[in-house]
Amino acid sequence: AQTVTQSQPEMSVQEAETVTLSCTYDTSESDYYLFWYKQPPSRQMILVIRQEAYKQQNATENRFSVNFQKAAKSFSLKISDSQLGDAAMYFCAYRRGDSNYQLIWGAGTKLIIKP
Amino acid sequence: NAGVTQTPKFQVLKTGQSMTLQCAQDMNHEYMSWYRQDPGMGLRLIHYSVGAGITDQGEVPNGYNVSRSTTEDFPLRLLSAAPSQTSVYFCASSFGTSPTNEQFFGPGTRLTVL
Repeated sequence: AQTVTQSQPEMSVQEAETVTLSCTYDTSESDYYLFWYKQPPSRQMILVIRQEAYKQQNATENRFSVNFQKAAKSFSLKISDSQLGDAAMYFCAYRRGDSNYQLIWGAGTKLIIKP
Repeated sequence: NAGVTQTPKFQVLKTGQSMTLQCAQDMNHEYMSWYRQDPGMGLRLIHYSVGAGITDQGEVPNGYNVSRSTTEDFPLRLLSAAPSQTSVYFCASSFGTSPTNEQFFGPGTRLTVL
């Protein structure tokens, strides 16, 4: 069975600095997708970034980028120039590339931004 | 577009009571799903639907029923509430079932079962 592990329950960073959130996963599949979601205090889940396993290039979305290490089964999220609005819970999630629709979620990392 | 809407936002039930959590989307999405979120854990899939009239079980379906009579609505029914069902419930939808289709989430329903 696939599992997703986020080993950092909480992280803090000074505003304008860079922070990296860790995620590891376990799977025997070769075709899969990885996601980072943000959950602000409003509770609504928002997709931050997606990575296809077959792509070697790391995904980027403005200040958000990932370090995808397929052999190590690691998928970390880097947030550059942290802003107060980045404060939230961040969840890493995995999905197989076939017809199995289930997203497997990590337990989340709470990100605190210090002004 | 309102996106994915859920009602109610909060609900308190007594053990044994039944209720329905409502979920609606106005984006003409085929795929809809229900998750529960418990403290210290990631979301877990309860039920999902790939279109009107088609539903299937996820990881934790026991104690819950769903139906999908229209594309827009996907209600979740608790048959006989138990304290173990205290959780935050999220509904999500996407245009298709491909992993490249972004899932949009509702704001959640916080349910407490006493």
